[in-house]
This record gives sequence, C-alpha cells and structure tokens, in this order.
Amino acid sequence: QLQLQESGPGLVKPSETLSLTCTVSGGSISSSSYYWGWIRQPPGKGLEWIGSIYYSGSTYYNPSLKSRVTISVDTSKNQFSLKLSSVTAADTAVYYCARHVYSSRGMDVWGQGTTVTVSS
Amino acid sequence: DIQMTQSPSSVSASVGDRVTITCRASQGISSWLAWYQQKPGKAPKLLIYAASSLQSGVPSRFSGSGSGTDFTLTISSLQPEDFATYYCQQANSFPLLTFGGGTKVEIK
Repeated sequence: QLQLQESGPGLVKPSETLSLTCTVSGGSISSSSYYWGWIRQPPGKGLEWIGSIYYSGSTYYNPSLKSRVTISVDTSKNQFSLKLSSVTAADTAVYYCARHVYSSRGMDVWGQGTTVTVSS
Repeated sequence: DIQMTQSPSSVSASVGDRVTITCRASQGISSWLAWYQQKPGKAPKLLIYAASSLQSGVPSRFSGSGSGTDFTLTISSLQPEDFATYYCQQANSFPLLTFGGGTKVEIK
C-alpha cells in the first residue's frame, strides 16, 4: 500500500528557507502514471496547491508562489522535496504531499501533513 | 488563472438529509473536477474525480455531476461520518491545480 510521509523542521525563521521532504513507500516514484505534489493549508483556511513534479524532473508551480518555490525529485531515494524561500508568517501552514493520478487528475494518496510555523 | 467558487461556505443539515454543494469555475474546465472530504486534523480524501466518477471505496451516497463551469456534489442521505469540509479542485490545466474555498457541512 502506497504511503507518503512528510518530514522537515517544524519551525522556520522569517526570511529563511522552508525545506520539506516527502518519502514515498510501497511504490515507485518513477511511475509514468503519476505526478507528485505539495499542498498547504494555513490554520483555519482552505487548501492551496503549491506545485508538482514528474519523476523526470519536470516541475509545475502555482503562479502566486513561483518566484519562491523549488520542487525537486530524487528517484534513487524515492523522495521529492519542497523549498520555499523568504518565508513570512503567512507561510505558516500544514504542508501535505500527495500523488496526482494522470488519468483521473485526482490526488488519491496523501501524506498525513506536517505543521510548519514561521516565527522568530 | 482558473478560479473556483464554492457555495454555500457552510451548510447545517441533519442525518438522513440530502445535501448539495456547488462549485463554479471561472472558465470552462470540461469535466476535470475533483471533490475531496477533509475532517479536522486529517488529510483530504478524494471522493469524486472527472466530475462524476466515484473513487474506489467511497460510499455510493456520494455523487458528482456537471461539466463546463458548473458542478455539484450530492450526498443523498447524510451520515454522521459525513460531517466534514468539502473542497472542489479543477484539473483542466493539469498538473496545475486550483482548489475551491471549501464548504463545511455541520450538524443541525
């Protein structure tokens, strides 16, 4: 059974870079059927798609975050990662990683989420 | 960018009620719409994809319809475990995605 697990610091200082990794287990990140994405949810608010990556390394970003976001993939470790630079308190959120299915275009497997707080 | 607008933002309903949630896209998205259910402290769960296809394991009381710009999620007979927040998500510009603002289904 495919599982996704987010990991990374829970506290980041303002102006610094937030870094998270999603580890995929129970399946290969290199499947041609899937993309891999990051989504976040500020406290008490809705979901915001951050960006996605294909195993080949092709990336797609939310235009509103594009200037600060970098998503990368490491197929040898079955992981993909998120970097968000110049963070502010507005970037405080639960960050989820998820699998996109190309055929259905839905996100069918999600990580449990990790809370990141931006504070000095 | 495609904007997604859900209505209502919240709805109060009783067990057994029929509940309908609407999602409108700012431009046509064919049938590339998904619905998710999220309970407090949990990750979202995919319910419906491609506007009307039920994800494996999801109860048949959930159904989706629509195409173009207007979509609905219907819960035919609300169960206690259905009280949650529901989100729509467009995937016409896949893998670029947009979520709606969410609809909270509360106990009446």
